[in-house]
Amino acid sequence: SYELTQPPSVSVSPGQAARITCSGDALPKKYAYWYQQKSGQAPVLFIYEDSKRPSGIPERFSGSSSGTMATLTISGAQVEDEADYYCYSTDSSANSTWVFGGGTKLTVL
Amino acid sequence: QVQLVQSGAEVKKPGASVKVSCKASGYSFIRYGITWVRQAPGQGLEWMGWISPYNGNTNYAQKLQDRVTMTTDTSTSTAYMELRSLRSDDTAVYYCARSESGSLDPWGQGTLVTVSS
Repeated sequence: SYELTQPPSVSVSPGQAARITCSGDALPKKYAYWYQQKSGQAPVLFIYEDSKRPSGIPERFSGSSSGTMATLTISGAQVEDEADYYCYSTDSSANSTWVFGGGTKLTVL
Repeated sequence: QVQLVQSGAEVKKPGASVKVSCKASGYSFIRYGITWVRQAPGQGLEWMGWISPYNGNTNYAQKLQDRVTMTTDTSTSTAYMELRSLRSDDTAVYYCARSESGSLDPWGQGTLVTVSS
């Protein structure tokens, strides 16, 4: 079955850039999506179609994709950005199975 | 505003079934899919499947397709997810989300399903 691989954790100091990666064999052909989930809350869409930001999402969040890796970048991480981040994408089969990455815990301290 | 409101928490015994509802408001229900996602305690997100309220087409995760059924009632703008033959490892928070391709937005508040004897 298709898998997306993320690092379990990333730590940065406030104001530093944070980068969270997501690797998957189908990413050269399929978009990546990114979700933020804070403790006890439902996930929220933060990046869609590799690099587009929904309205209301701070400009310090950006996405990119190259080859088999998608990257979520937070330029100048804030304490309130501390959360779990999940990438989401589909395989290239006819049945379009979707999958989440394992999630990355971002710590800002 | 666009909103998805899910049914309340459930406690079920192993082998039973559960049916979670997800009532949509603030948009044309048939224009977007509904995706179901679950999250076991302390674990990551797991895609369960998708349904089109427009034509009823579904796409289920392979590991669940023998036990899950997703339906919609367009007259009440409500989606349903039924999971049968429950096991302890089905204990999770179950979410619905309005979906357009990979954009899941917004999400319901989640429904905790506990499977315990």
